[in-house]
Amino acid sequence: KQEVTQIPAALSVPEGENLVLNCSFTDSAIYNLQWFRQDPGKGLTSLLLIQSSQREQTSGRLNASLDKSSGRSTLYIAASQPGDSATYLCAPGGSSGSRLTFGEGTQLTVNP
Amino acid sequence: GAVVSQHPSWVICKSGTSVKIECRSLDFQATTMFWYRQFPKQSLMLMATSNEGSKATYEQGVEKDKFLINHASLTLSTLTVTSAHPEDSSFYICSAQWGGGTDTQYFGPGTRLTVL
Repeated sequence: KQEVTQIPAALSVPEGENLVLNCSFTDSAIYNLQWFRQDPGKGLTSLLLIQSSQREQTSGRLNASLDKSSGRSTLYIAASQPGDSATYLCAPGGSSGSRLTFGEGTQLTVNP
Repeated sequence: GAVVSQHPSWVICKSGTSVKIECRSLDFQATTMFWYRQFPKQSLMLMATSNEGSKATYEQGVEKDKFLINHASLTLSTLTVTSAHPEDSSFYICSAQWGGGTDTQYFGPGTRLTVL
């Protein structure tokens, strides 16, 4: 059974700081891994999707890396902004492809 | 990007009643839809996977007779919580996937269910 751990559980940083969110998973037999953002009381917004054959994906100020063999992924956020405040969820996709297992998330607060 | 809607966005009902939640893919045909549940301060837990025109596949521990899923078309899936009880109060989120396997899942905005 896949288990996903995200560290830290919560993070508070001043605006402009670069930061790294960590995700580890126990079963390395994944097809892909997604990073999502969830605002309070809202659904999920997909940020980045990394296929198992890829090492990283970039979108704007976001960069996600994947080390499948060691069961780790990181989300790097450059020049953080107050609007980045949200919970960030990591979800590896299982060998069936579609099945996502979610971590409990990192709650990020970026202070002006 | 692809848009997925849910209706209603929130619902309050009395214990023992049934509640239906709709999930629609607005600008693409979803061959597969997923239903998740999220309790406060916890992550999303997959409840079931549904493919258009076939029976849903439920996760272990999820009662299929209590959580009825219908995926009658490529743009609509419904989740009916039958005989709801206070412990069913949760945030229900659906997602839709165009193709299979490695395609991105697009998530709806969620439905907040409160059972009194």
